[in-house]
Amino acid sequence: DAGVIQSPRHEVTEMGQEVTLRCKPISGHDYLFWYRQTMMRGLELLIYFNNNVPIDDSGMPEDRFSAKMPNASFSTLKIQPSEPRDSAVYFCASRGLSSYNEQFFGPGTRLTVL
Amino acid sequence: GEDVEQSLFLSVREGDSSVINCTYTDSSSTYLYWYKQEPGAGLQLLTYIFSNMDMKQDQRLTVLLNKKDKHLSLRIADTQTGDSAIYFCAGCATNKLIFGTGTLLAVQP
Repeated sequence: DAGVIQSPRHEVTEMGQEVTLRCKPISGHDYLFWYRQTMMRGLELLIYFNNNVPIDDSGMPEDRFSAKMPNASFSTLKIQPSEPRDSAVYFCASRGLSSYNEQFFGPGTRLTVL
Repeated sequence: GEDVEQSLFLSVREGDSSVINCTYTDSSSTYLYWYKQEPGAGLQLLTYIFSNMDMKQDQRLTVLLNKKDKHLSLRIADTQTGDSAIYFCAGCATNKLIFGTGTLLAVQP
């Protein structure tokens, strides 16, 4: 298995533009998580899905952020409009049947908003 | 909610042991975890411990859990330059991982 796949790996955009981050979880995993990592706030959980259904989006910072999971093999995190304070590394992780709830992380998308 | 604290930086010499410490506030996590993040990469699970255990050993890694003091530690024996990374402890609350602030481990040759 290729592991969790994220694209793009790097994104540079201008303030006000729409940004879409993509994630393909590990096949067979039924949980998908979106995290944001910054120097100031560390690693924060934004939202997670179970069987494609959003379960907890309490970490989504504002209405400018939205996430979807149209099927078991694809999820998107969208920021519209983007702002410089959204600059961060965004990680996707997935989890399957595991006795100890291990989450597998993707390589991340480094977002820079100018 | 859960709060997880770690020291920010640790520097050791190659071949020495490293001990990374973590304190947490919520004792309801069934498992506690140690993740490793190498530069430019995602997080990778290193090891975990069940909350009713005091110690777990896995090759060069030893995890100690003191539930009374809500203290978790990770010991890396014979630390190598390849161990240089950021180490995160994490608890799990209703499917959500709550991460510590991360400890940057620098291994000097």
